[in-house]
Amino acid sequence: DVKVTQSSRYLVKRTGEKVFLECVQDMDHENMFWYRQDPGLGLRLIYFSYDVKMKEKGDIPEGYSVSREKKERFSLILESASTNQTSMYLCASSRGTYNEQFFGPGTRLTVL
Amino acid sequence: SQQGEEDPQALSIQEGENATMNCSYKTSINNLQWYRQNSGRGLVHLILIRSNEREKHSGRLRVTLDTSKKSSSLLITASRAADTASYFCATDPRYRDMRFGAGTRLTVKP
Repeated sequence: DVKVTQSSRYLVKRTGEKVFLECVQDMDHENMFWYRQDPGLGLRLIYFSYDVKMKEKGDIPEGYSVSREKKERFSLILESASTNQTSMYLCASSRGTYNEQFFGPGTRLTVL
Repeated sequence: SQQGEEDPQALSIQEGENATMNCSYKTSINNLQWYRQNSGRGLVHLILIRSNEREKHSGRLRVTLDTSKKSSSLLITASRAADTASYFCATDPRYRDMRFGAGTRLTVKP
């Protein structure tokens, strides 16, 4: 059974903290994605990666960075968390081009 | 920028009725996908329709695509309470990443 896992389901951090969100997939997928989901706005793409050590900005990369040192792992980093980064963060992976994405369960991050 | 826009934002029906959701998008696409999300969970892929296809079926799901109008519809027939979820369309303006709409929240009353 294919699986995308995220390190935490719920996370509470303080303003200014550095936050790491981890995502691991066991499907040997080349592509991995980070989205944030907010009510009324749907899913917005933050960053994605189509190969190890490769990354591309999505629509809202400001305030975020990513790391992909291994094929199965894609990390989202909030360098200095702010309250407007309180959101649901979803990780996904896919194979090749034009294919379905498999999602993790999400991490609900609250920044106080 | 969001590529897909679902309509309506919310839909409430009785069990056994059909549910129709629509999606409009802005630029040319290679394929369009529909996903489902149960409350507070990740998304699950339902169906993919390629730009050269007009209709596709999967169980109780029927998807249509009209590239001339840049729109798609998802029909769920004989709905069940377990179909209660949010439904998203996603399109691929480039070749590896996708853009999602804000979703349609479907409530099926028993």
